[in-house]
Amino acid sequence: QVQLQQSGPGLLKPSQTLSLTCAISGDTISTNSAAWNWIRQSPSRGLEWLGRTYYRSRWYHDYAVSVKSRMTINPDTSKNQVSLQLNSVTPEDTAVYYCARGVGSSWYDYWGQGTLVTVSS
Amino acid sequence: DIQMTQSPSSVSASVGDRVTITCRANQGITSWVAWYQQKPGKAPKLLIYGTSNLQDGVPSRFSGSGFGTDFALTISSLQPEDFATYYCQQANTFPLTFGGGTKVEIK
Repeated sequence: QVQLQQSGPGLLKPSQTLSLTCAISGDTISTNSAAWNWIRQSPSRGLEWLGRTYYRSRWYHDYAVSVKSRMTINPDTSKNQVSLQLNSVTPEDTAVYYCARGVGSSWYDYWGQGTLVTVSS
Repeated sequence: DIQMTQSPSSVSASVGDRVTITCRANQGITSWVAWYQQKPGKAPKLLIYGTSNLQDGVPSRFSGSGFGTDFALTISSLQPEDFATYYCQQANTFPLTFGGGTKVEIK
C-alpha cells in the first residue's frame, strides 16, 4: 500500500521560505512509472498543480509558471522522500498543500494528508 | 492552460437519487479525464480515470462518460457516504488542471 506522509511548518511570515517534506512508503521515488507532485488548494484558486519531479534515467523537474521563479522540488533517494521549497511567500500562498503520486503524466492516485500553510504577519 | 468548467457548482439530492455532474473543457482532450471525491479535511480521492475506468475499490454506482470536450460523472443511487465535493481533472495537456468542484449536499 502506497502512503505519502507530509511534514513541515504551517505558519509563516511574508518573505519567509516554505519547506515541506513528503515521505513515501510502498513505492520508490526513482520508479520509472510515476511522478511526485505538489498541489495546493485554496478557496480563491481551487486545486492548483505546482510542480513535479520524476526519474527517467535521470531526474526531471517541472514547475507551474505561477511559481517557477520561487519553487524548488528536490528528491532524496536515501530517505525516499521529496521536498518542496517555496521562497518569498506572501499571503496569497496561504493554502492546503498536498503531495501526490502521478501515474505517468496523468492522474493522481495517492495523496498525502495535506498541510495547511498560513502566511500572515 | 486548459480550463475545466463544472456544473452545477452544487446539487441537493436525497439518498437513492441519481446524480450527474458535468465537466466541459475549453478544448478537446480526447478521453484524458479523471474524477475525484473530496470530503472535508481530507485529500481528494481518485474515483475514475481515463473518462470511464473505475479506480480499485470504487463502488460500481459511480460511472464516467464523455469524449472530446464534454464529460460526466454519474452516481446511480446516492449513498450517505457520497455526500462530498467532486472534481474533474484533465490529463491531456500540461499543466494538468482541475475543475472548480461540485458539492453534493443532502436534500
